[in-house]
Amino acid sequence: GAGVSQSPSNKVTEKGKDVELRCDPISGHTALYWYRQRLGQGLEFLIYFQGNSAPDKSGLPSDRFSAERTGESVSTLTIQRTQQEDSAVYLCASRENRGQETQYFGPGTRLLVL
Amino acid sequence: GNSVTQMEGPVTLSEEAFLTINCTYTATGYPSLFWYVQYPGEGLQLLLKATKADDKGSNKGFEATYRKETTSFHLEKGSVQVSDSAVYFCALRPQNNDMRFGAGTRLTVKP
Repeated sequence: GAGVSQSPSNKVTEKGKDVELRCDPISGHTALYWYRQRLGQGLEFLIYFQGNSAPDKSGLPSDRFSAERTGESVSTLTIQRTQQEDSAVYLCASRENRGQETQYFGPGTRLLVL
Repeated sequence: GNSVTQMEGPVTLSEEAFLTINCTYTATGYPSLFWYVQYPGEGLQLLLKATKADDKGSNKGFEATYRKETTSFHLEKGSVQVSDSAVYFCALRPQNNDMRFGAGTRLTVKP
């Protein structure tokens, strides 16, 4: 079946502009995660959605970052007033339900802020 | 807090060499432990996992044993191949579902 998809695959933007990244999880997966992977660094947790529960936003680095998810489907990560340090690969992952541990990752969106 | 520390890369080996990538963790409770792999141009995918102490995860010739006494989950393979060249991430999932990943270790295997 189809895996996790993300769009765009690459995004180049100017400092100060807003960007919106999209994630389509695997159908039926109730949990969805966003991560950031800066060059040469590990994966950094950003936000976690589980079903209709309030999202865990503890990893968002600043109030310029926000994310939404409609039900158990598409999620969008928005970065406002982008800065050069926002340049990274943004990864989305989904997981089937509570008790299932394996996360399935999308290919990521590579963001470059000039 | 919960965190993972893994061996810094890059690691370069010749084909058929023995591989060890060290991973140690700090966690409260009883986390599950994972190794993820990212092949060139592809997304992250689960390589193996272990959910309790002394469990051994294995896949594609790779193994890792959950060692509670040393808080470690080292990745090993007896004979690496060129196709194993990738970035390997150690990760833990505490009981609150919030995954923590290590920085990744880039492995290059030369023929």
